[in-house]
Amino acid sequence: TQLLEQSPQFLSIQEGENLTVYCNSSSVFSSLQWYRQEPGEGPVLLVTVVTGGEVKKLKRLTFQFGDARKDSSLHITAAQPGDTGLYLCAGGVTSYGKLTFGQGTILTVHP
Amino acid sequence: DTGVSQDPRHKITKRGQNVTFRCDPISEHNRLYWYRQTLGQGPEFLTYFQNEAQLEKSRLLSDRFSAERPKGSFSTLEIQRTEQGDSAMYLCASSPQRGSGSKNEQFFGPGTRLTVL
Repeated sequence: TQLLEQSPQFLSIQEGENLTVYCNSSSVFSSLQWYRQEPGEGPVLLVTVVTGGEVKKLKRLTFQFGDARKDSSLHITAAQPGDTGLYLCAGGVTSYGKLTFGQGTILTVHP
Repeated sequence: DTGVSQDPRHKITKRGQNVTFRCDPISEHNRLYWYRQTLGQGPEFLTYFQNEAQLEKSRLLSDRFSAERPKGSFSTLEIQRTEQGDSAMYLCASSPQRGSGSKNEQFFGPGTRLTVL
C-alpha cells in the first residue's frame, strides 16, 4: 500500500511570508501531482512532476520532485490571501490508474 | 472543453435509501475515476474505468456500491441501503490515454456532496 504523508497539516501565515509544504513516501511514484482545492469544489490540478530531481515553477509556486521519486515539496513565495486553500499531493505508481493522495495541507494566508 | 461535470452537486437522503450519482467526463477522455473524500482527508480511490471496462476496484467499494460506464462515456455510481458512514464528497475525474494521460494527470469534477441522515 502506497502512503503519502503531507506536512504540515495546517499552516496559518501572514501575507508576504514564504512557506513550504512537504509530501513524503517510502514508495516510488512514476508521477506526482499537486492539486489545490477550495471548499465544496473538486481538486484543481496545479502541476505534474515525473522526473527525479525535477523542478517546476508556476508564478510564485515552485514544485520539486525528489531524486528518488519518493517525495516532493511545494514552496510558495510571498504568499497572498488568494493562495488560501487545501493543497493536496497525489502520486501514481503507474502512468494510469489510481492516485494515492496525501491528507492535505490547509493553508490560510491572512491579509 | 467544458470540464468534468457531476450531478447532483448535493444529495441529502435518509439512511437505507438508494442514491445514484452521474459523472460526465471531458469529451474523448477514455479513463474515468471515482474517489471519495471525507472532511479533513484527501480523496480515496474507489474505482477506475478505461472506456466501458471497470479495471480496478478498491476494497472501500463494498457490495452496496456499484459503478457503471455502459457506453464508455458518462458513468454512474450507485449506493444501495445508504448508511451514515457513506456521508462524504464523491469525486469523479477523467484522464486521456495519451498526452497528459501518460503522466496520469487526472482532472476532477466539482463533486457530489452526500449527506445521509
